[in-house]
Amino acid sequence: KNQVEQSPQSLIILEGKNCTLQCNYTVSPFSNLRWYKQDTGRGPVSLTIMTFSENTKSNGRYTATLDADTKQSSLHITASQLSDSASYICVVSWRPGGYNKLIFGAGTRLAVHP
Amino acid sequence: GAGVSQSPRYKVAKRGQDVALRCDPISGHVSLFWYQQALGQGPEFLTYFQNEAQLDKSGLPSDRFFAERPEGSVSTLKIQRTQQEDSAVYLCASSLAWGGEYTNQPQHFGDGTRLSIL
Repeated sequence: KNQVEQSPQSLIILEGKNCTLQCNYTVSPFSNLRWYKQDTGRGPVSLTIMTFSENTKSNGRYTATLDADTKQSSLHITASQLSDSASYICVVSWRPGGYNKLIFGAGTRLAVHP
Repeated sequence: GAGVSQSPRYKVAKRGQDVALRCDPISGHVSLFWYQQALGQGPEFLTYFQNEAQLDKSGLPSDRFFAERPEGSVSTLKIQRTQQEDSAVYLCASSLAWGGEYTNQPQHFGDGTRLSIL
């Protein structure tokens, strides 16, 4: 079964600290992997999109890594800010037929405290 | 507008009532998606449109769920005879294009409609 699993489920860090969120997937065939940020009560916003040939991609203080062999990805947040408090969702793009479908993880809920 | 717009933001209905949720995608976006997001979970795929054509409705949970996009822009998700298990956030997303050379296109999400069935 195609699955996307994220860890930890939730995380609390202090402002200014770094953190790393993990994503494991069993989706096949795999097209690309995305990380989204979802603020409470808002829709998800795209942070990064990586194909299987890309190992890392950055977007400001966010850096995503991908190991397509082990089917693992991580999202590293540097120098966290209060506004980083949100859910971070790992999404794998799957191509069962003529077009891609997205499979979403349950997310990691991050709380940044002052 | 600049982003995907959904209305209403909140909808409360009694069990058995019909509801209609609206999505205005980003202008010019060919592809439109509906997702259902339960509390504390990631979104789950419901259906996909390319222009006015509904290419995939495999995620619709029952025949009480119906979606349309008659002119290839605005879309409506209708739920008939609502049940308590229909309570969730319904998200709409649009993309400039999808599939093929557009495999890596981002999907732009609206803020969703939070549906509560009493």
